[in-house]
Amino acid sequence: GQSLEQPSEVTAVEGAIVQINCTYQTSGFYGLSWYQQHDGGAPTFLSYNALDGLEETGRFSSFLSRSDSYGYLLLQELQMKDSASYFCAVREANYGQNFVFGPGTRLSVLP
Amino acid sequence: EAQVTQNPRYLITVTGKKLTVTCSQNMNHEYMSWYRQDPGLGLRQIYYSMNVEVTDKGDVPEGYKVSRKEKRNFPLILESPSPNQTSLYFCASSITSGSSYEQYFGPGTRLTVT
Repeated sequence: GQSLEQPSEVTAVEGAIVQINCTYQTSGFYGLSWYQQHDGGAPTFLSYNALDGLEETGRFSSFLSRSDSYGYLLLQELQMKDSASYFCAVREANYGQNFVFGPGTRLSVLP
Repeated sequence: EAQVTQNPRYLITVTGKKLTVTCSQNMNHEYMSWYRQDPGLGLRQIYYSMNVEVTDKGDVPEGYKVSRKEKRNFPLILESPSPNQTSLYFCASSITSGSSYEQYFGPGTRLTVT
């Protein structure tokens, strides 16, 4: 099975850059995803890394290094609306599509 | 509008009283899943289904049942709810081909078992 670790909280100011790390222990997986969840809301998909390297989507980028069992989500030009919880997730490399999520990182953006 | 719907959104029930939470998606997705979310534990997968009549256990299946008789619907059944099943539940769906496997989540069902 999989085990993912994330920092529980991160704080940054508007306009700054913040990196949320995700480390994992796995026997095999297909790719690393990131989801955003605002208080009271449902998780929404942000990005997916199937291969090592950086994927960029607007102000958000995600990185994966399978050799280091490590990934991160990079948020640039932070805005107040980015205050939310962020979850990394993997899809296990078994016969099905079992997803495992990390515990989540709560990002607070200060004015 | 492409969406995943869940009903009810809020439910308070008593121990042992069977309940069903419905989930429906209008995107023709093959894959559907149920998660529970508890503080500090993130989202934990309960059951998932890769297509009609194909279901499998996730990480925390004990005390839950599911069925997938139609592609669009994936109800979650608690035959005899207990207080430790008090949680926020999310249904999700996605395609099974392609590279992203992006999951679309429903709005959530907050369940309290007393």
